[in-house]
Amino acid sequence: NAGVTQTPKFRVLKTGQSMTLLCAQDMNHEYMYWYRQDPGMGLRLIHYSVGEGTTAKGEVPDGYNVSRLKKQNFLLGLESAAPSQTSVYFCASRDTGYNEQFFGPGTRLTVL
Amino acid sequence: KNEVEQSPQNLTAQEEEFITINCSYSVGISALHWLQQHPGGGIVSLFMLSSGKKKHGRLIATINIQEKHSSLHITASHPRDSAVYICAVGIQGGSEKLVFGKGTKLTVNP
Repeated sequence: NAGVTQTPKFRVLKTGQSMTLLCAQDMNHEYMYWYRQDPGMGLRLIHYSVGEGTTAKGEVPDGYNVSRLKKQNFLLGLESAAPSQTSVYFCASRDTGYNEQFFGPGTRLTVL
Repeated sequence: KNEVEQSPQNLTAQEEEFITINCSYSVGISALHWLQQHPGGGIVSLFMLSSGKKKHGRLIATINIQEKHSSLHITASHPRDSAVYICAVGIQGGSEKLVFGKGTKLTVNP
C-alpha cells in the first residue's frame, strides 16, 4: 500500500495563478483532511471531508476550495494564489471510528 | 490562549539523556495524539491515547485526564530521535478534527 500520497511535492506560483493539489489514499478511509503548516504555528485545518461527495470548512478555509468526487481522492484548489498561501500543505486521512490520522509527505508551495 | 500548549518549544540533549516533552490542553478531548516530524519530512503518528500510558520501544506516552496533561518521554535518547514532536487533541463531542500544538523541536547531540 502506498498510504497517503500528494502531488506535486514542490510548486512555485506567481500571484494570481491557480493550481490544484491532489491527495490520494489507498486505505479506503472515509475521512480526509487538508492542513497547512507555517513556521511558528501548529498545523491548521483548511478543509476536511467525512466521505465521498462531502466537504466542510476548517479553521482557515479562505482562498481555498476542495472537492471529493472519489473516495480515494481529495483535491485542494487555489483559484488565485496569494503570497500568504506560501506554506507546506499536508493531506491526511483516517478511518471511521479510529482516530489515528495518516499523513502524506507534504507539498511545499511558494507564491511569488 | 491556544487550546493545546507544548513545552519546551526547543530542547537540546546529549545522547543517552532521558527526555520529557509536555502537552497541556484546555478542552474536553476524545483522544490525544503524539506525532513526529523529521526535518524536511512527513508526519508520523507515534501514539494515540485517551487514558493511562503507552510504550513503544524507547518512547513512553502518559496522559492525566483530570489534569489535562500529557507527557512524551524518550529513554536513552539517540541523535536519530532529533525531530519535531507534535501534540494534538481530538475535541470531545463528535468532532472529526484535531487541534495541534506548535511542536517541540528536539535536537540530540552525539
